[in-house]
Amino acid sequence: NAGVMQNPRHLVRRRGQEARLRCSPMKGHSHVYWYRQLPEEGLKFMVYLQKENIIDESGMPKERFSAEFPKEGPSILRIQQVVRGDSAAYFCASSPLSGRTDTQYFGPGTRLTVL
Amino acid sequence: RKEVEQDPGPFNVPEGATVAFNCTYSNSASQSFFWYRQDCRKEPKLLMSVYSSGNEDGRFTAQLNRASQYISLLIRDSKLSDSATYLCVVNWYAGNNRKLIWGLGTSLAVNP
Repeated sequence: NAGVMQNPRHLVRRRGQEARLRCSPMKGHSHVYWYRQLPEEGLKFMVYLQKENIIDESGMPKERFSAEFPKEGPSILRIQQVVRGDSAAYFCASSPLSGRTDTQYFGPGTRLTVL
Repeated sequence: RKEVEQDPGPFNVPEGATVAFNCTYSNSASQSFFWYRQDCRKEPKLLMSVYSSGNEDGRFTAQLNRASQYISLLIRDSKLSDSATYLCVVNWYAGNNRKLIWGLGTSLAVNP
């Protein structure tokens, strides 16, 4: 059973470019969460999605950031016009639909560096 | 008051020591609780869920005190490999809305 997959693992962008981060949840999981971790800081919740729905985006910056989880394919976190402050590790986690378990399984993260 | 608070540490302990972390939460409607472990530059991994009756997994014991709104993690006979950041996670439901709140983590360094 493959775990949560994220790609790319490392992404380098210049200021003003767009960054697209992809997350494939574990098989059978339909809940996806995105987190950001700045260097030497804690994990910060960004957004919680189910298939085709954004459930909670209270942690998303108001501008330049968007997320989707289409019916088919991976979840995408998109950052437009990146700035140096966007440099961070972005983790995706998934949890199963059935029951009310909230155990989250994390992917290895994408490390974004903005030059 | 933060929704979930942890002592950031760092806790520096010798091998073999017993160490305990606490995590307090502010929402009395919180319903499930977890401890995760994060190694440097890696993803968080589930260490254990925390049940009302308390639970133990080898050298690790987790407890929940609903009256005082805190959970704890006890590590006995510390190993060098226990060095990591320990994250407390609290979840509550309000109808269909469920919210997971993460603490900022407690850093543990086990020294030889």
